[in-house]
Amino acid sequence: RKEVEQDPGPFNVPEGATVAFNCTYSNSASQSFFWYRQDCRKEPKLLMSVYSSGNEDGRFTAQLNRASQYISLLIRDSKLSDSATYLCVVNPHGNNRLAFGKGNQVVVIP
Amino acid sequence: SQTIHQWPATLVQPVGSPLSLECTVEGTSNPNLYWYRQAAGRGLQLLFYSVGIGQISSEVPQNLSASRPQDRQFILSSKKLLLSDSGFYLCAWSHRGYTDTQYFGPGTRLTVL
Repeated sequence: RKEVEQDPGPFNVPEGATVAFNCTYSNSASQSFFWYRQDCRKEPKLLMSVYSSGNEDGRFTAQLNRASQYISLLIRDSKLSDSATYLCVVNPHGNNRLAFGKGNQVVVIP
Repeated sequence: SQTIHQWPATLVQPVGSPLSLECTVEGTSNPNLYWYRQAAGRGLQLLFYSVGIGQISSEVPQNLSASRPQDRQFILSSKKLLLSDSGFYLCAWSHRGYTDTQYFGPGTRLTVL
């Protein structure tokens, strides 16, 4: 079983709509959780860390469900500029080795 | 603020040729440094990481090697490239110790022909 799994999509979202997707992780002892954004042919950039209590940054909301071992990302009022691949990242072992999902591709349509 | 540089940005090399990719970090001391490869349609694969000068941990057996000659310099090398070495090579850094958040450089896109 892969350490981190994501549905690659694409998720085609009308501009202004809300989109949400999940990422599952296999190691119940995982320590830290992140969402990164990666534009085509660019490097991943940290979008937000995911805390146990959930966190919100503007139109973006991240949540962690330890019981079911998944994290989620919700984007409200989607903008064309939100089109990107969103990578789920987990620290399974509490060390320097992060595990990356393959990403959820989001395409915001005018 | 911290910045991370990689060069070259793109590279086309013949099979069997050597490789040297460089990564430098500014604005921080004693960072952890990482080399990743992202092949087409695949996730990021950790190749090497380093917690200090001369300290390299290899994650995947391959024909690549890494060195850290200075605190904020990380080099990825190969003596003979294979076709399968093509990909997007990303260097990343993180603060030593209390956080595992990693920050990526702009990457080098390598095509081996």
